[in-house]
Amino acid sequence: GDSVTQMEGPVTLSEEAFLTINCTYTATGYPSLFWYVQYPGEGLQLLLKATKADDKGSNKGFEATYRKETTSFHLEKGSVQVSDSAVYFCALSEIGGGSEKLVFGKGTKLTVNP
Amino acid sequence: DTGVSQDPRHKITKRGQNVTFRCDPISEHNRLYWYRQTLGQGPEFLTYFQNEAQLEKSRLLSDRFSAERPKGSFSTLEIQRTEQGDSAMYLCASSLGRYEETQYFGPGTRLLVL
Repeated sequence: GDSVTQMEGPVTLSEEAFLTINCTYTATGYPSLFWYVQYPGEGLQLLLKATKADDKGSNKGFEATYRKETTSFHLEKGSVQVSDSAVYFCALSEIGGGSEKLVFGKGTKLTVNP
Repeated sequence: DTGVSQDPRHKITKRGQNVTFRCDPISEHNRLYWYRQTLGQGPEFLTYFQNEAQLEKSRLLSDRFSAERPKGSFSTLEIQRTEQGDSAMYLCASSLGRYEETQYFGPGTRLLVL
């Protein structure tokens, strides 16, 4: 079945550091790819998405590019802030495959220190 | 703007008791999803509704679990004869419908079974 693998955490960075969180997937069809973020004490929020190969999703300074050849969707940010401290989840959804349910990775906890 | 709401936010119960959770999706969203999230893991799909019809259930959804969406608006998730292994965060999400894949999540109901 479909699955998502993301880098183990936790990740601890200093403010203004560069962030990469790796995400790879396996899917039988042509999924859409997502990054969700969960801030402390809050629900999951969509951060960005990409629906086809070579698409780049971006939001709040975060970017991720849908790479079909490497089945990857790595999350990057050039300069992190303390307010980016959260748990980040990579996910896929098989569009047109019925339920279009989300399949999530295990999450990567990011802590940004001032 | 009202997002997805869930009630209660927290529930503590004793093993063997029944519990029921409610989810109110974003109005006009046809699809409603239930997920379960345990500590240190990503959310896992439980079931989904297209309007009032329950169209897919995960094998995670044992026969002690039942979900309804009687009028195609709010949904309930009931767990009968709760077990300690049911302790988790139960998340509800909604989306507009087929081919509109963005799911919006509620804050979740945290269940603790003693």
